[in-house]
Amino acid sequence: EAQVTQNPRYLITVTGKKLTVTCSQNMNHEYMSWYRQDPGLGLRQIYYSMNVEVTDKGDVPEGYKVSRKEKRNFPLILESPSPNQTSLYFCASAPDHITGANNGYTFGSGTRLTVV
Amino acid sequence: GQSLEQPSEVTAVEGAIVQINCTYQTSGFYGLSWYQQHDGGAPTFLSYNALDGLEETGRFSSFLSRSDSYGYLLLQELQMKDSASYFCAVSASGGSYIPTFGRGTSLIVHP
Repeated sequence: EAQVTQNPRYLITVTGKKLTVTCSQNMNHEYMSWYRQDPGLGLRQIYYSMNVEVTDKGDVPEGYKVSRKEKRNFPLILESPSPNQTSLYFCASAPDHITGANNGYTFGSGTRLTVV
Repeated sequence: GQSLEQPSEVTAVEGAIVQINCTYQTSGFYGLSWYQQHDGGAPTFLSYNALDGLEETGRFSSFLSRSDSYGYLLLQELQMKDSASYFCAVSASGGSYIPTFGRGTSLIVHP
């Protein structure tokens, strides 16, 4: 089954403890992206990647890092999480960024992160 | 930059028709898309408009007016399962064609 898989689904952590949220897709997509969703604010893009070893900042990149060492994986790294990063996170992918705009992105099931 | 406006909440009764509006501001407009999200689950793609007019897909239709920077999602024969959040998203050449999402409209369908 074609899908985007995020892990973990739920995570509670403490301020300052480094964490990684994994994202993997099995569709050979070039384009991958991370979003955070907060009540009343919609989906805001954190980082995106057009292809392997190519990453760019989205609208809210502060406090996050990403890497794209291989096509299928696009992990989101929080080196020193803070309570304002408590949010619902989504990974998304598309064959390429133009096709994604035209035909939609495939989203993962989300990761609900709480930083205390 | 890009900005979008859509109502925060819309309510309707089962079997009715509802329209969710979206206005946007952007330069280098490329297209307007719509996504549905149930209860914090994965957003799913519904439709995309690049040209003026109405696109119909079953009970759902999406309309675009480029001259008015305006679009809407039309849901007909509403069902309880249509209760969800609906997001419009605008793509533009200035943003590398990557969609910017609106804040979402919560649709509540009553029996």
